[in-house]
Amino acid sequence: EAAVTQSPRSKVAVTGGKVTLSCHQTNNHDYMYWYRQDTGHGLRLIHYSYVADSTEKGDIPDGYKASRPSQENFSLILELASLSQTAVYFCASSDGTGGAGDQDTQYFGPGTRLLVL
Amino acid sequence: AQSVTQPDARVTVSEGASLQLRCKYSSSVTPYLFWYVQYPRQGLQLLLKYYSGDPVVQGVNGFEAEFSKSNSSFHLRKASVHWSDSAVYFCAVRGGGYKVVFGSGTRLLVSP
Repeated sequence: EAAVTQSPRSKVAVTGGKVTLSCHQTNNHDYMYWYRQDTGHGLRLIHYSYVADSTEKGDIPDGYKASRPSQENFSLILELASLSQTAVYFCASSDGTGGAGDQDTQYFGPGTRLLVL
Repeated sequence: AQSVTQPDARVTVSEGASLQLRCKYSSSVTPYLFWYVQYPRQGLQLLLKYYSGDPVVQGVNGFEAEFSKSNSSFHLRKASVHWSDSAVYFCAVRGGGYKVVFGSGTRLLVSP
């Protein structure tokens, strides 16, 4: 069974503070993703990575940095947290991006609820 | 570029009734299509996916979806819903690249 874990599960941060969200996968997957979920917007891609030590910008990267120090770990960093970054953040992993097998399936973590005050 | 529209933000059905959740997609290439489900305070889980071939694909827990190229749709169906099906359902599309685009979701409430 594929497994993606996230920490913390919830966090309250102050405006202007630094926040780090962590993600760990035991799937041996190459691809990892960070999404944010806001009511009425579904999931929006912030950053992704397809190999360790490399990250790519998604659709809404402003205000976020990402770090992939190993295949298993992928972090999302908010250097200066803002009120608008209050959301639920999901990490996901996948084996690849193509093919008719399981490569395309994204496995999601349980999410981190971030409240910025 | 790809996009997904789920026109119904909320759907309420009675337990035992049939269900259809609507999804319209836009893609410049042949799309890969997905339905994911999110139970309360959990991450998304894959229900089913379509790549090619038979336009009706079967998923877990009795769900199925039908791909229609002419209508640019990928509607999700279930013959008889159970209270445990109450959740948020997301339609998603992937074109030729890496990115999967998710719809805004449909919240399903199954009433007793």
